[in-house]
Amino acid sequence: SQTIHQWPATLVQPVGSPLSLECTVEGTSNPNLYWYRQAAGRGLQLLFYSVGIGQISSEVPQNLSASRPQDRQFILSSKKLLLSDSGFYLCAWSSDQKNIQYFGAGTRLSVL
Amino acid sequence: DQQVKQNSPSLSVQEGRISILNCDYTNSMFDYFLWYKKYPAEGPTFLISISSIKDKNEDGRFTVFLNKSAKHLSLHIVPSQPGDSAVYFCAAKRAGNQFYFGTGTSLTVIP
Repeated sequence: SQTIHQWPATLVQPVGSPLSLECTVEGTSNPNLYWYRQAAGRGLQLLFYSVGIGQISSEVPQNLSASRPQDRQFILSSKKLLLSDSGFYLCAWSSDQKNIQYFGAGTRLSVL
Repeated sequence: DQQVKQNSPSLSVQEGRISILNCDYTNSMFDYFLWYKKYPAEGPTFLISISSIKDKNEDGRFTVFLNKSAKHLSLHIVPSQPGDSAVYFCAAKRAGNQFYFGTGTSLTVIP
């Protein structure tokens, strides 16, 4: 069966520090991968998605970037965090054969 | 531009009664619709889905209804249980890889 791992679960970072959140998927190959952010009291905002290694589509221009160095690995990064980057970050995957998106457990990021 | 909308941010229902969560969409190209359930500090979990060729899909206590002419879908939970208390997101998909989510409805089932 397929599983998705996302870490860390919680992160507290000072303003101006770098960020690296990692997501990996097991049990499937060539998944579509996604990064979402849920700000307090708001819905899911799509940040990036990827259909293959090195292929990244950005939905919202901002202080973040994403990379997909391996087929089942998706990384969300920032060189310098802003206060507005605080939120709940979710990684998800889907396949072309099935119209369902599966989510990781999420990372609570607090930028202070 | 919010293509999937959940206009009720919250809903309270007595245990045993029916919960009805609503969702509206604007893009007529959407052909697949999903509902997710989310507890605090956890990722959303898939609940139920429906293809645009159907108008109803049922799975145990959960039923999703789709009205294509009105661009409206709803999730019915019968009977509601306290464990159903969570945030519910509707989502829509068209050809391609993107899923479009609503802003969520927080359901509270009162024992």
